[in-house]
Amino acid sequence: EAGVVQSPRYKIIEKKQPVAFWCNPISGHNTLYWYLQNLGQGPELLIRYENEEAVDDSQLPKDRFSAERLKGVDSTLKIQPAELGDSAVYLCASTSRAGDGEQFFGPGTRLTVL
Amino acid sequence: KNQVEQSPQSLIILEGKNCTLQCNYTVSPFSNLRWYKQDTGRGPVSLTIMTFSENTKSNGRYTATLDADTKQSSLHITASQLSDSASYICVVKGTYKYIFGTGTRLKVLA
Repeated sequence: EAGVVQSPRYKIIEKKQPVAFWCNPISGHNTLYWYLQNLGQGPELLIRYENEEAVDDSQLPKDRFSAERLKGVDSTLKIQPAELGDSAVYLCASTSRAGDGEQFFGPGTRLTVL
Repeated sequence: KNQVEQSPQSLIILEGKNCTLQCNYTVSPFSNLRWYKQDTGRGPVSLTIMTFSENTKSNGRYTATLDADTKQSSLHITASQLSDSASYICVVKGTYKYIFGTGTRLKVLA
């Protein structure tokens, strides 16, 4: 079974540029999460999707961040414009409605904003 | 406020030695507690899950404990190996939310 796929793995951009990250969750997982992880810290939730509906986006900085999961499968997280403080690892995770709620994480996208 | 605190923040041990990582939480309601291992440059991977009624659970050289009364959990690593070098993150699940600790960074030296 394929795990959570994220791309790109690394991205370096200059401040004020736009950037997008893509995530394909495990097949059949209806819940998808985007997390931000700073160095030496635990992941912080940005947004949670149940199928195509964003059910928790309270921590998403909506002035510059946006996300979509149009068909309830893969998802895109966008930052426009990027700021220096956005440099971090962006993790995607998914869970199945069945089971004990284990989150399966992708490898993350490491963003560096210069 | 829902919080998960881990200690120590970092730890260095010699290969073959044992170590114990701590997790204290104030999360309500409580569904379960997981310990994740995160290798550098990778996403976290679940090691073990603890539910309210479980006190101890082992996964190979990893043994987790849970004291639901004091809201404390520990992860004990036996006979450490170089490959155990990673960050270990404690995650407590409430009704829908997952509350993450900041992790313990473990370094195992030869």
